[in-house]
Amino acid sequence: KQEVTQIPAALSVPEGENLVLNCSFTDSAIYNLQWFRQDPGKGLTSLLLIQSSQREQTSGRLNASLDKSSGRSTLYIAASQPGDSATYLCAVLETGTASKLTFGTGTRLQVTL
Amino acid sequence: EADIYQTPRYLVIGTGKKITLECSQTMGHDKMYWYQQDPGMELHLIHYSYGVNSTEKGDLSSESTVSRIRTEHFPLTLESARPSHTSQYLCASSEWRGRDAEQFFGPGTRLTVL
Repeated sequence: KQEVTQIPAALSVPEGENLVLNCSFTDSAIYNLQWFRQDPGKGLTSLLLIQSSQREQTSGRLNASLDKSSGRSTLYIAASQPGDSATYLCAVLETGTASKLTFGTGTRLQVTL
Repeated sequence: EADIYQTPRYLVIGTGKKITLECSQTMGHDKMYWYQQDPGMELHLIHYSYGVNSTEKGDLSSESTVSRIRTEHFPLTLESARPSHTSQYLCASSEWRGRDAEQFFGPGTRLTVL
């Protein structure tokens, strides 16, 4: 059974810092990995999707990497801003699971002024 | 603008009532999903659909039911709500492209059963 773990569970950084969020998964047989952002009481916003054949994806200040063989992904946020404060979730799409995502419990990020 | 909608956003209801949570998407996606998320916990898939007249149960057992009569519409129904159903329900959709199908989520419905 696939398990997705995110470390740390919570993180507080001052504005302007670069930071890394970690995601690990137990079964490397995945199609892709998605990073999402969730604001309190809201739905999920897709940030980046990395295919199993890819090593990284970039969007603006965000960079996500994937090491499928070791079951790890990182989300790098450059020059953090207070507006980045949210919970960040990673999710993997396993092969043969009819597009069922398995989610981690998330990292709650707070960027302070 | 292509999007995915959920109504209501918030619902407080008494035990035993029948409720339907609505989900609609204007992106023309074949696949749709319902996830359940308790506060501070991970999302769990409860239902999904490949297309019209297709419905499947997800990993987490749920007393809810779904239907898919139209491509754009995927409602979830609870015949008799109970306090244990209190949770956030998130709807999502994706194209029928298999491995590279990015899932897009609606804003969610926060359900409280008293």
